[in-house]
Amino acid sequence: GQQLNQSPQSMFIQEGEDVSMNCTSSSIFNTWLWYKQDPGEGPVLLIALYKAGELTSNGRLTAQFGITRKDSFLNISASIPSDVGIYFCAGRGSARQLTFGSGTQLTVLP
Amino acid sequence: DAGVIQSPRHEVTEMGQEVTLRCKPISGHNSLFWYRQTMMRGLELLIYFNNNVPIDDSGMPEDRFSAKMPNASFSTLKIQPSEPRDSAVYFCASSLQTGNGYTFGSGTRLTVV
Repeated sequence: GQQLNQSPQSMFIQEGEDVSMNCTSSSIFNTWLWYKQDPGEGPVLLIALYKAGELTSNGRLTAQFGITRKDSFLNISASIPSDVGIYFCAGRGSARQLTFGSGTQLTVLP
Repeated sequence: DAGVIQSPRHEVTEMGQEVTLRCKPISGHNSLFWYRQTMMRGLELLIYFNNNVPIDDSGMPEDRFSAKMPNASFSTLKIQPSEPRDSAVYFCASSLQTGNGYTFGSGTRLTVV
């Protein structure tokens, strides 16, 4: 089946720093999505990407759909304490349902 | 819109007991998904429905697990009998189509002792 490798697994950063995380897949994806999960809640969709090369921003968040269609990255600029949480990438290729990455646990230190 | 509604939020039960988790998807969404989240395995898709019909239940771990969607506004995930290794957070999600982004509920934290 489709495999997603998300890295890093966890990050500790200082408030104000920029953050970057990425996902790679073993096969071509047609859709890439990025979610954030706050403690005690379900994942919430941040950004959706539907075309290779697409670069999309949502406030301080920027995500890109890789040209090879096998990778995507998420950048967070000028991190703030409420950015803390688990970030998941998700992709859809030949399978009808989404495949989720293992998540990146982000901790923002004051 | 109230979003995807799951109940209960927390469930503590003894091993061997039957557990039923409930989900109300967003009105108009025709795809519904059940996920299990643990530290070890992350988010695992258990089963998903399109138009109330189960499409893929290959993620259901054992025959102890069963899911139903009797109508477009309600689904259940049942574990009978429950075991301690079933302890996890169970999420329900819905979408307009399987390929679109999913909207997740707040989850049910299940603890089997």
